Parts: sequence; C-alpha cells; structure tokens
Amino acid sequence: QVRLVQSGAEVKKPGASVKVSCKASGYTFTNYYLHWVRRAPGQGLEWMGIIGPGDGSTSYSQKFQGRVTLTSDTSTSAVYMELNSLRSEDTAVYYCARQLWSLDYWGQGTLVTVSS
Amino acid sequence: DIQMTQSPSSLSASVGDRVTITCRASQGVRNHLGWYQQQPGKAPKRLIYAISTLESGVPSRFSGSGSETEFTLTIGSLRPEDFATYFCLQYIISPWTFGQGTRVEIK
Repeated sequence: QVRLVQSGAEVKKPGASVKVSCKASGYTFTNYYLHWVRRAPGQGLEWMGIIGPGDGSTSYSQKFQGRVTLTSDTSTSAVYMELNSLRSEDTAVYYCARQLWSLDYWGQGTLVTVSS
Repeated sequence: DIQMTQSPSSLSASVGDRVTITCRASQGVRNHLGWYQQQPGKAPKRLIYAISTLESGVPSRFSGSGSETEFTLTIGSLRPEDFATYFCLQYIISPWTFGQGTRVEIK
C-alpha cells in the first residue's frame, strides 16, 4: 500500500534551518509529483511547493521562494524539504503529499517548532 | 493567486443532521476542486476530487457539487466520526490554495 513516512519533530532557533524527509513506498516513486503543505497553529493549510522526484524539477510558492529547497533521492525513494532563516511564524506541522488528481496520500506530518 | 473563501468557519450540528459547506473561488477553477477532512493530530484525508468524485472508501453520505467558482460539500447525515475540520483545495493553478477550513462541532 502507498505510504509516505516523514521524519520526526524538530525544535529550531530563529535563523536556523530545518530539513524534513518524506520516504515513499508502495508505488513507483518517480511516477508521481510530491508536494509540501504546512499548517500553522490555528491556521489553514498552506501550499509550499512541488517536486518531480524523477528529474528533480521544482516549483515553489512565491511566499517561500528563496527560503525553501525541495530535493529528491531516487536511490532511497525520499524527498526532502529544507527551510532556511526560520522565524517563529514557521512553527507548523509540515506534510508531504502525493499528487494524483489533487493530493491523494499524505505523510503523517512533522512538527517544526521555532523558538528561542 | 486564486483565493478560496470557505464558509462557515465553524458550525455546530447534531448526529443525523445534514451539513453543507461552501467554497467560493476568486476565479474559475473548472473541475480542479477537492475536499479534505482533517481530524486533530492527523493528516488530511481526501474525500472528494474533481468537484464530485468520491475517493475510494469514503462513505456515500459525503457528496460534492458546484462549478467554476462555487462549490459545496454536503454530509447527508452526520455521524460521530464526521466531527472534524474540512478544507477545499483548488489545484488548477500554482500556487495551489486551500480554503481556511470549516470546523464541524457537536451541538
């Protein structure tokens, strides 16, 4: 069955970087785009960007352009989301999700807390 | 960016009630509209895509309708496990955008 398993919770200081992983299984990794979405406390869902795991092509939300980098590793069927220059407003649960007619399968989420 | 305006932001309902949630898009999204349910502490779960196509395994009490800029999610008869937050998503154009969510609470 399709599974997206993300790395564990992180606590970071303002100005630091965080890298979250999302390991896919149960399907052909290179055949589906993967997206990153976050949900801050008390807020709605926010789309961050998309990666084509096969060729590494990416597209980012203008809001995160320059601060976020998505990468993929076909040898381990994993994608990574790195967010730089963290601030308190980046405290959120980050999700990876597979694209099939919108987003069908989601990872379990990774809580990133930014606090001094 | 396409703005997705979802209403109401919250509602209280009883088991057995019929519930309707609306999403309005700031421009036409054709059929690129989906609905998600999120329980506290869990990942979103897709209920519907392409306006009205039910995800496999989702109960038939959930239905979607609408076109271009106005969309509706209906829960025909609310069950205890349906108390959650619901979001719409437009995926026709980047950046993909979500409605702000509707929290369905027990009356």
